[in-house]
Amino acid sequence: QITLKESGPTLVKPTQTLTLTCTFSGFSLTTSGLGVGWIRQPPGKALDWLAHIFWNDDQRYSPSLKNRLTITKDTSKNQVVLRMTNVDPADTGTYYCARIRPRDSEYAFDIWGQGTMVTVSS
Amino acid sequence: SYVVTQSPSVSVAPGKTARITCGGNSIGLKSVHWCQQKPGQAPMVVIYYDSDRPSGIPERFSGSNSGNTATLTISRVEAGDEADYYCQVWDGSSGHLIFGGGTKLTVL
Repeated sequence: QITLKESGPTLVKPTQTLTLTCTFSGFSLTTSGLGVGWIRQPPGKALDWLAHIFWNDDQRYSPSLKNRLTITKDTSKNQVVLRMTNVDPADTGTYYCARIRPRDSEYAFDIWGQGTMVTVSS
Repeated sequence: SYVVTQSPSVSVAPGKTARITCGGNSIGLKSVHWCQQKPGQAPMVVIYYDSDRPSGIPERFSGSNSGNTATLTISRVEAGDEADYYCQVWDGSSGHLIFGGGTKLTVL
């Protein structure tokens, strides 16, 4: 069974750095083609892709947030970590991690975590 | 960066067919995936790669993709299908995963 679970602070102050961890089981990020990504959803708004990392350490970032995000993986711990610097109240929302699965040179999120709510407020 | 568009809302009576569309330039050349998100829950994939259903998803859910429009079709709509639906595509030129803005399905 494949599961992913997000963890991190529920409350962060403006200008601080937010660190979120995705801990997964049922697959390995040493498997060719697989990846893990982060998606956020402000309250009442749409899903917004943030970043993802593949088995070969290829990392991609949302153009609008690229300068503030860093994604890393620890294959020994089955974890993917997302760091977001200089947070703002506009970063408030639910943060999801999800597995990326390939087929024919295309990729899709297939299994999602339950999400973690983060509030940015002083 | 590639852009996909969805209508904000679709309404349908129980037992009827709902069609939710996702538009993009030559989207028929890409694979489109659909997620369902019920209030307070995480998204769940209901259609992969244009038309494949994950195990456990009813046959009432189907997908198609051609030209500039991909379509999620829900037959014999039930009250439990009321949710937000998001399309997702892989933009090979940038290596980014793109979401549509979501469509709220209301069952009348």
